[in-house]
Amino acid sequence: LAKTTQPISMDSYEGQEVNITCSHNNIATNDYITWYQQFPSQGPRFIIQGYKTKVTNEVASLFIPADRKSSTLSLPRVSLSDTAVYYCLVGAPSGSARQLTFGSGTQLTVLP
Amino acid sequence: EAQVTQNPRYLITVTGKKLTVTCSQNMNHEYMSWYRQDPGLGLRQIYYSMNVEVTDKGDVPEGYKVSRKEKRNFPLILESPSPNQTSLYFCASRKNLQGVQETQYFGPGTRLLVL
Repeated sequence: LAKTTQPISMDSYEGQEVNITCSHNNIATNDYITWYQQFPSQGPRFIIQGYKTKVTNEVASLFIPADRKSSTLSLPRVSLSDTAVYYCLVGAPSGSARQLTFGSGTQLTVLP
Repeated sequence: EAQVTQNPRYLITVTGKKLTVTCSQNMNHEYMSWYRQDPGLGLRQIYYSMNVEVTDKGDVPEGYKVSRKEKRNFPLILESPSPNQTSLYFCASRKNLQGVQETQYFGPGTRLLVL
């Protein structure tokens, strides 16, 4: 399983763009990169997933360089409600067995 | 509504008293999993199941049992709970399609306190 490294915490202000970078130096060829968001006392929920280059949805963007050894989650114009823990996961397609490991995540705190 | 449900949501028990936390999903997902979450340690996988009657250990299986007799249910059993099993537990499910990394859907969590 590819190990991921993320900052433990980040602070931002409302309206700013936030970029959270995740390192995954030993990512395998068929691994996907997935980000989850977790609010206190709730289960994590899916934000975005990508394999290479850039992926964008209504919530976030995910930037993946050509070597795929890192990825950056970008949250545009954050609000107070974006305060949460963000997890970066790297793993193989779902047809294989246990393949996703959650690290400690990044605690994002959005300040007014 | 597509969802993963867990019961109970909160439980206080004493050491050694067997308990079961139920998990049910209505999305016809093949894969189900249990995690525990402790401060500073993130989510750690306890057991997972690729399909009915197929289960396997995760990262921290000691002290836990699971069963998968039906596709929709995946109960977590603590035969003899100990205080170090005090934690927040999450059940999750997803499809098992080949070639893509399917999204996991998580339940609301069960907060367990073992005295």
